[in-house]
Amino acid sequence: GESVGLHLPTLSVQEGDNSIINCAYSNSASDYFIWYKQESGKGPQFIIDIRSNMDKRQGQRVTVLLNKTVKHLSLQIAATQPGDSAVYFCAARHNFNKFYFGSGTKLNVKP
Amino acid sequence: DGGITQSPKYLFRKEGQNVTLSCEQNLNHDAMYWYRQDPGQGLRLIYYSQIVNDFQKGDIAEGYSVSREKKESFPLTVTSAQKNPTAFYLCASSTDWSTDTQYFGPGTRLTVL
Repeated sequence: GESVGLHLPTLSVQEGDNSIINCAYSNSASDYFIWYKQESGKGPQFIIDIRSNMDKRQGQRVTVLLNKTVKHLSLQIAATQPGDSAVYFCAARHNFNKFYFGSGTKLNVKP
Repeated sequence: DGGITQSPKYLFRKEGQNVTLSCEQNLNHDAMYWYRQDPGQGLRLIYYSQIVNDFQKGDIAEGYSVSREKKESFPLTVTSAQKNPTAFYLCASSTDWSTDTQYFGPGTRLTVL
């Protein structure tokens, strides 16, 4: 099987700083990873994804890093804004079909 | 305006009642999923459907039932057999079962009174 966990339940950052949210997975056969953003009372929104044949992928203000050696991925948010306040969780796909989800890190952005 | 819709947003149930949560998508996706979200836990898969008229149990299917009579619809019934149904329920869909991103609906919060 697979288990996915995040390192910190809560992260507080100052507006304008960079944020780094971490996620660890257990199964080296996981081949595809997604980061989601979930605002309070809403459904998760896709942010960025990365496949196991890549180490890094960049989007608009976000970067995902994948370290397959230690089974770790991170989400970096540049110039964090108040609108970035939400719960962020990762998902790891195992055996090309089933996703396992982390419990999430709540990002608090202080003005 | 494409996407996934869930209704109702809030649902209250008395003990012993069955309730049905609606999920509709107009993305032309073959695969649909139901997850349960509890505080401090990752999403847990209840049921999934790879194609119309087919569905499979997920990790926590006991006390739940589904149907997939139409491609765009995947309703979830929470039966009285589900002992702890209070949770946030999320429906998702993807192009097909074996590929890529799952997109989520806005969720339904079910509370048992």
